[in-house]
Amino acid sequence: NAGVMQNPRHLVRRRGQEARLRCSPMKGHSHVYWYRQLPEEGLKFMVYLQKENIIDESGMPKERFSAEFPKEGPSILRIQQVVRGDSAAYFCASSLFERQVLTYEQYFGPGTRLTVT
Amino acid sequence: SQELEQSPQSLIVQEGKNLTINCTSSKTLYGLYWYKQKYGEGLIFLMMLQKGGEEKSHEKITAKLDEKKQQSSLHITASQPSHAGIYLCGADLHTGGFKTIFGAGTRLFVKA
Repeated sequence: NAGVMQNPRHLVRRRGQEARLRCSPMKGHSHVYWYRQLPEEGLKFMVYLQKENIIDESGMPKERFSAEFPKEGPSILRIQQVVRGDSAAYFCASSLFERQVLTYEQYFGPGTRLTVT
Repeated sequence: SQELEQSPQSLIVQEGKNLTINCTSSKTLYGLYWYKQKYGEGLIFLMMLQKGGEEKSHEKITAKLDEKKQQSSLHITASQPSHAGIYLCGADLHTGGFKTIFGAGTRLFVKA
């Protein structure tokens, strides 16, 4: 039973480039969450997606960041024109059930560590 | 300010000693999660608590949620070097849907 998979595990980008982070949820999970963890800080919610729908993007920066979860394939977090402040660990989590009504545990991937030089 | 306060921020204990980590909110929590994160790695789900007064144990780790559902504690008995890492509490706040917030983490070091 594969857990949540994220790739790449490490990503180095120069300022101004684009970063694409991928997340494959656990088998059978159709709810995906993205979080950002800055050095020495806790996790901050970014976006909650279901297949082909963005449910809650209240934690996403207004510019340069976008996320999608297509019908087929992994969820993608895309950061355009990266800046040094985007350097962080980005974690994806998935859950079996919708978490808008009831609480269910989320399972996290190993994260993608983005470094912007 | 953090909506979810964790204490202590870091902890150094001698192997074999017991320890407690706390997680506190001023708001009612609808789900309380404890995760362990090894340095530079992902999060490992430990336990989830939902009901006031609930207590769960797994091996040498026990977590409790108070009756008011605003505070949780994680207790490790007879700590071992394998317990070292960052312990994160996460909690669901109900704001028209559930959004999970996380504490800043407690860094645990266990001296052999």
